[in-house]
Amino acid sequence: DVKVTQSSRYLVKRTGEKVFLECVQDMDHENMFWYRQDPGLGLRLIYFSYDVKMKEKGDIPEGYSVSREKKERFSLILESASTNQTSMYLCASSPAWSGTNTEAFFGQGTRLTVV
Amino acid sequence: GEDVEQSLFLSVREGDSSVINCTYTDSSSTYLYWYKQEPGAGLQLLTYIFSNMDMKQDQRLTVLLNKKDKHLSLRIADTQTGDSAIYFCAEMRDTGRRALTFGSGTRLQVQP
Repeated sequence: DVKVTQSSRYLVKRTGEKVFLECVQDMDHENMFWYRQDPGLGLRLIYFSYDVKMKEKGDIPEGYSVSREKKERFSLILESASTNQTSMYLCASSPAWSGTNTEAFFGQGTRLTVV
Repeated sequence: GEDVEQSLFLSVREGDSSVINCTYTDSSSTYLYWYKQEPGAGLQLLTYIFSNMDMKQDQRLTVLLNKKDKHLSLRIADTQTGDSAIYFCAEMRDTGRRALTFGSGTRLQVQP
């Protein structure tokens, strides 16, 4: 059974803290993604990675960074958390693009509250 | 642009058909997807359609694609209370950035 695991379901952090959100996949997928989900806005892409040590900015990268030191792990980092980063964060992974459909698998999400 | 738009809410009675609509703007979209999110859960892929297809049927689900109007719909036949969820339309291009672009999601409420 394919699995994308996010380390926490719920997190509460203080403004200004450095926050790490961890995501691990066990499917040997090349691609990994971080999205945030907000009501009425759907999912917005923050960062993604096609390979180890590789990262690309998505649509809303400001205030975030990522790390991919190992193929199975993709970390999202909030350098200095702010209240407008309170959101649901979703990690996903997918196989390398091969010209046919590649399904993305999602984790359960981390609901982050910044106070 | 890569805008994907959906209406936010749909309410139907159990046993009726549900039709969830989506419009997209990027004409280079190759794959179009429907994902389902149940309360407290991540996203689950329901179905997808390749851009050279007009229709795809999978049990109670029918996907219709009007490429000229950039309009995608998901029809759920005989809607059940267990179908209550948020449904997301998403697109992916076959060039450049290979990442899903999502719509805002449509919350489907099924009334007994």
